[in-house]
Amino acid sequence: AQKVTQAQTEISVVEKEDVTLDCVYETRDTTYYLFWYKQPPSGELVFLIRRNSFDEQNEISGRYSWNFQKSTSSFNFTITASQVVDSAVYFCALSETLTGGGNKLTFGTGTQLKVEL
Amino acid sequence: DGGITQSPKYLFRKEGQNVTLSCEQNLNHDAMYWYRQDPGQGLRLIYYSQIVNDFQKGDIAEGYSVSREKKESFPLTVTSAQKNPTAFYLCASSIDGTGDYEQYFGPGTRLTVT
Repeated sequence: AQKVTQAQTEISVVEKEDVTLDCVYETRDTTYYLFWYKQPPSGELVFLIRRNSFDEQNEISGRYSWNFQKSTSSFNFTITASQVVDSAVYFCALSETLTGGGNKLTFGTGTQLKVEL
Repeated sequence: DGGITQSPKYLFRKEGQNVTLSCEQNLNHDAMYWYRQDPGQGLRLIYYSQIVNDFQKGDIAEGYSVSREKKESFPLTVTSAQKNPTAFYLCASSIDGTGDYEQYFGPGTRLTVT
C-alpha cells in the first residue's frame, strides 16, 4: 500500500525565516505523481505543485521551491522568507493507480505551519 | 469563474437522519471525488467517479452513497449507517481519472451530527 509521511506535525517560525516541510513517500508504482496542497484556515485545499516521478529537477516558484529526490523517496517543500500569510496546513500527496481504473491521492497527515511576526 | 462549489458550508443533523452534500463543478472535468477529513488527519477517499453514470468505492465508502447523473454534479449522501459522520467533507475534480492531472478542491462542507 502506498504511504505518505509528514513527520513534522507543527512548525513555528518567525516571519522572514526560511522553512522546509518534509515529505517521504512509499510506492510500488514506477510512474507516479507527487503533489503539495495548502489548506488555509478557510478549509479549501489549494493546489501548489505536481511533479512527475521521472522529473527530478528542482522547481522554484517565487518564494516556494521543491526538492524531489527519488533515491530517498522524498519531496520536500521550502518557503523562503516566510510571511504570516503562509500560515496554513500543508499536505503532501501521492497519486495511486487503482486496479479498477482511475486514480486516487494518498495524503500525508499534514504539517501545520505557523508564521509569527 | 470556473470552479467547484459545495453547499452548504455548515450542516447540522440529528443522528439517524440521512443527509446529502452537494458538489457542482463547471470546469468540464470528467473525474470527481469525495474525501473526508478528520481533525489532525489527512484526507481519505470515500468515492470517486471517472465519468458520468460510473463511480467506484474508495477507502472508506461504508455508510455513504453517491450518484453521477450529470457531468457537473456528484452529490454525496451520508446515511444513518455511517457510524461517525461528523467530519469535514471535501469534493474534488480533475480533467480525467488517469492521475496525470491535479485535483482541484471545493471549499468543503462541515457536517455535525448530534
